[in-house]
Amino acid sequence: KQEVTQIPAALSVPEGENLVLNCSFTDSAIYNLQWFRQDPGKGLTSLLLIQSSQREQTSGRLNASLDKSSGRSTLYIAASQPGDSATYLCAVFVNQAGTALIFGKGTTLSVSS
Amino acid sequence: EAGVAQSPRYKIIEKRQSVAFWCNPISGHATLYWYQQILGQGPKLLIQFQNNGVVDDSQLPKDRFSAERLKGVDSTLKIQPAKLEDSAVYLCASSLWGYNEQFFGPGTRLTVL
Repeated sequence: KQEVTQIPAALSVPEGENLVLNCSFTDSAIYNLQWFRQDPGKGLTSLLLIQSSQREQTSGRLNASLDKSSGRSTLYIAASQPGDSATYLCAVFVNQAGTALIFGKGTTLSVSS
Repeated sequence: EAGVAQSPRYKIIEKRQSVAFWCNPISGHATLYWYQQILGQGPKLLIQFQNNGVVDDSQLPKDRFSAERLKGVDSTLKIQPAKLEDSAVYLCASSLWGYNEQFFGPGTRLTVL
């Protein structure tokens, strides 16, 4: 059974710092991996989708990497801003009958000005 | 491009009452998902539709939950009767098909008293 773990559960940094959020999954037979952002009381906003054949994907100040063999992904946020404060969720598509995502519990990021 | 629409945004009911949620996916998206997110957890799949058909409902508590997607567009999720443990945010998501990027609606926050 696929399990997704995100470490740390919470992170506080001062504005301007570069930071890394970690995601690990137990079964390397994934199809794709998707990173999301969730603001309090809101739905999920898609940040990046990495296909299984890719090693990384970039969007603005965000860079996500994928290492299927070790069961790990990282989300790198450059020059953090207070507006980046949110919960970041990692999710994997598994090779099963359905194509639903299996999520981690998320990392709650707080960036102070 | 309009996003995934959900209603209502909030609902408070007594246990043993019934409730229904509505979702309108992004136009042209064949795959529709309903997820349940309990406070502090990542979303968990309840049911996945591909056009009109159910692809995966293995985690749907079928004794009390039901869902339909008429004409392959809008979908409704119903709970009857509700239990205290059904208090959660119900998220609808859609994708073009299968393993493509998933886009989420704002969610419906259900409180069962």
